[in-house]
Amino acid sequence: NAGVTQTPKFQVLKTGQSMTLQCAQDMNHEYMSWYRQDPGMGLRLIHYSVGAGITDQGEVPNGYNVSRSTTEDFPLRLLSAAPSQTSVYFCASSPTTGELFFGEGSRLTVL
Amino acid sequence: QQQVKQSPQSLIVQKGGISIINCAYENTAFDYFPWYQQFPGKGPALLIAIRPDVSEKKEGRFTISFNKSAKQFSLHIMDSQPGDSATYFCASNTGGFKTIFGAGTRLFVKA
Repeated sequence: NAGVTQTPKFQVLKTGQSMTLQCAQDMNHEYMSWYRQDPGMGLRLIHYSVGAGITDQGEVPNGYNVSRSTTEDFPLRLLSAAPSQTSVYFCASSPTTGELFFGEGSRLTVL
Repeated sequence: QQQVKQSPQSLIVQKGGISIINCAYENTAFDYFPWYQQFPGKGPALLIAIRPDVSEKKEGRFTISFNKSAKQFSLHIMDSQPGDSATYFCASNTGGFKTIFGAGTRLFVKA
């Protein structure tokens, strides 16, 4: 059972470039979410989804886009990368009970 | 705005001692209060969680104490071991999604 799979694990971008972080889960969870983790700031919610076709903004949504066309996939798009988006990104899925299952993370550096 | 405030930022405990981490929340609509444990290079994983209808929950060496009137909850790790050295996050959510995290506590247990 793979759980939550994130790709890529590492990525280096130049300012202004765009990219997509992929996230897939095989647990048939309705809820999925994206977080960024920065030193001393914990995990901050970027976007979340409560089901296919439904997404909403979290605490820090600016500069990011999401879509949820299937239950399994929840990609995160960086439209025009900025150095402030250098971070570790975590995707998570959860059943309606609220427990989050996290992927291994994607470390992004924007130069 | 930070809806979940966690303290201390870091904690050093002797092996066999008690580790205590505290969290305070603002949103009275929160109805699920989990603690997550994260090791370096890994995603966070659920350690223990509580709902507001009980004041304490114990699982092995880990205990959550919950004070609804004070809007505070804490994690107690009894008989702390070097293998408990990790970063711990408190969190809260409503209805099972849109989980908000505290800033994290780095615990180091000295052998």
